[in-house]
Amino acid sequence: EVQLVESGGGLVQPGGSLRLSCAASGFTFSPYSMNWVRQAPGKGLEWISYIGTSSSPIHYADSVKGRFTISRDNAKNSLYLQMNSLRAEDTAVYYCARRDPRSHAFDFWGQGTMVTVSS
Amino acid sequence: QSVLTQPPSASGTPGQRVTISCSGSSSNIGSNTVTWYQQLPGTAPKLLIYSNNQRPSGVPDRFSGSKSGTSASLAISGLQSEDEADYYCAAWDASLNGWVFGGGTKLTVL
Repeated sequence: EVQLVESGGGLVQPGGSLRLSCAASGFTFSPYSMNWVRQAPGKGLEWISYIGTSSSPIHYADSVKGRFTISRDNAKNSLYLQMNSLRAEDTAVYYCARRDPRSHAFDFWGQGTMVTVSS
Repeated sequence: QSVLTQPPSASGTPGQRVTISCSGSSSNIGSNTVTWYQQLPGTAPKLLIYSNNQRPSGVPDRFSGSKSGTSASLAISGLQSEDEADYYCAAWDASLNGWVFGGGTKLTVL
């Protein structure tokens, strides 16, 4: 069974940093590109970052470019999101999502981890 | 303000057919395929429709998608109470070099 389990969320002060992890299981991780998508409380979905199978290419939404860094470790079946210079507007549930190479759709999602940026 | 435009809400009675629209531009829907996701209350999004009109295994054929030009639609026939959820359209945007989502449509089954 495909599973994506995010962790690392929590409460952080504005300007602080946090590192999210996404542990993949139930499938061969390396052939799949991966994404982070977030959802602010009561709001819609926002794609924020993509990483290719061998850590290239990498894309970011303008809202996080220069502050967030996506990475992966295929040996550990894990995806990461380093978040720096956090702002109140980064408060959201962060989901990791697998991208199917044939359909290009996000075919599996994790359950999400909540990040709250507040003083 | 989302790049793709969806109506914020839709509703129908059990058994009815409802449609949800998604409007974009030439850089996203006009040149790339559309995906639809269903998000039940308190849960993660789930893939519903990919490549404009394809259903993943396990998705009932009551759900169908279509695309024309820079717009797309999701149709749900034989509406059931368990269809009450938020629905999002998405597409790759070549100008933004990233995926864009619609603002979401909250479907209420009356």
